[in-house]
Amino acid sequence: DGGITQSPKYLFRKEGQNVTLSCEQNLNHDAMYWYRQDPGQGLRLIYYSQIVNDFQKGDIAEGYSVSREKKESFPLTVTSAQKNPTAFYLCASSPEGLAIYNEQFFGPGTRLTVL
Amino acid sequence: KQEVTQIPAALSVPEGENLVLNCSFTDSAIYNLQWFRQDPGKGLTSLLLIQSSQREQTSGRLNASLDKSSGRSTLYIAASQPGDSATYLCAVRPKAEGAQKLVFGQGTRLTINP
Repeated sequence: DGGITQSPKYLFRKEGQNVTLSCEQNLNHDAMYWYRQDPGQGLRLIYYSQIVNDFQKGDIAEGYSVSREKKESFPLTVTSAQKNPTAFYLCASSPEGLAIYNEQFFGPGTRLTVL
Repeated sequence: KQEVTQIPAALSVPEGENLVLNCSFTDSAIYNLQWFRQDPGKGLTSLLLIQSSQREQTSGRLNASLDKSSGRSTLYIAASQPGDSATYLCAVRPKAEGAQKLVFGQGTRLTINP
């Protein structure tokens, strides 16, 4: 089955630790995205990547880092510099990096909790 | 800066009713608008995508309309069922803020009572 997978489903982090969230897609999509969802707020864009080895900051990139070494993978690292990382993190992809008309498709999400 | 608003924040209706969810946006310069469904603790499922040149899109019991000039979209659900209970999100792709960005509303939490 084609789709987007995220792991783990739940993640617990101690203060001061870096953690990495996995996102993999087998849809052959060029563009991938990371969003953060907080209760009572809409989704906010953290980072996006249009092609391999290239990525851009979204609205709330501080305290996060990404890499795009393979077309199908776009991991997100939440660093200790992120002051309030507890949230639901969603990965998405779309068929063509520069095709503004295409839909975005989402993975099942990772819930990160800081202890 | 583009802002998206969804009213009401929550809606509860009996099974079988037709209903309308509302989405408004502040800047009419958009490429498209997308409606999503989100079940509790889950990711987003894309329901409908309307290009800026289109007026509506239909999928099964769902019909979404777009009035770009007035900054409004509606999602019409016909003959509602308990399985339709979820949070519905709309998002626009604004021209002014980069083609890759979606701006989301906060969602309408819909409950269909049997």
